[in-house]
Amino acid sequence: DGGITQSPKYLFRKEGQNVTLSCEQNLNHDAMYWYRQDPGQGLRLIYYSQIVNDFQKGDIAEGYSVSREKKESFPLTVTSAQKNPTAFYLCASNIQAGTEAFFGQGTRLTVV
Amino acid sequence: AQSVTQPDIHITVSEGASLELRCNYSYGATPYLFWYVQSPGQGLQLLLKYFSGDTLVQGIKGFEAEFKRSQSSFNLRKPSVHWSDAAEYFCAVSSYNTDKLIFGTGTRLQVFP
Repeated sequence: DGGITQSPKYLFRKEGQNVTLSCEQNLNHDAMYWYRQDPGQGLRLIYYSQIVNDFQKGDIAEGYSVSREKKESFPLTVTSAQKNPTAFYLCASNIQAGTEAFFGQGTRLTVV
Repeated sequence: AQSVTQPDIHITVSEGASLELRCNYSYGATPYLFWYVQSPGQGLQLLLKYFSGDTLVQGIKGFEAEFKRSQSSFNLRKPSVHWSDAAEYFCAVSSYNTDKLIFGTGTRLQVFP
């Protein structure tokens, strides 16, 4: 079955450490996105990529980095520069910009 | 600026009652509109979408939504709510000439038996 796979589902990190969240899709979608979700704030866009080897900052990119070396993969690194990293992170993709997005099941990151 | 407003943060209904969740958007171009549902700790699932044509669109799980251009609204409705509909609902907007979806802050639906 086609879909988007995020791993791990739960992730614990010590303060000051970088951590990478995985997102893989087999939908043959060109565009991929990373969102952060906090209670009462909806989904906020971190980074997005419309094509391999290219990506753009979203609304809250500070303290995060991404890469898009393959069409199927769009990993997100939460760096130690992110002041408040504890959140639920969602990866999404769509076949082209503007169309409906398909979401992974999310990764809950907790900084301890 | 492009934006989506969901004025109701939390709604409580009894099982079997009708439901309407409000969504208003601000968008310069012809909008594409979406409703998503999210169960706790899960990703988002698409309920329905509007691109063009008939302004009343049918979705999954018995939901429908009506696009009203004059009111800049895309409200979600269901005639009879089931306990399994308890979740968070998000409205989103995009367009043919944009590169991202803009989401509202969500409405949490609670269903009482």
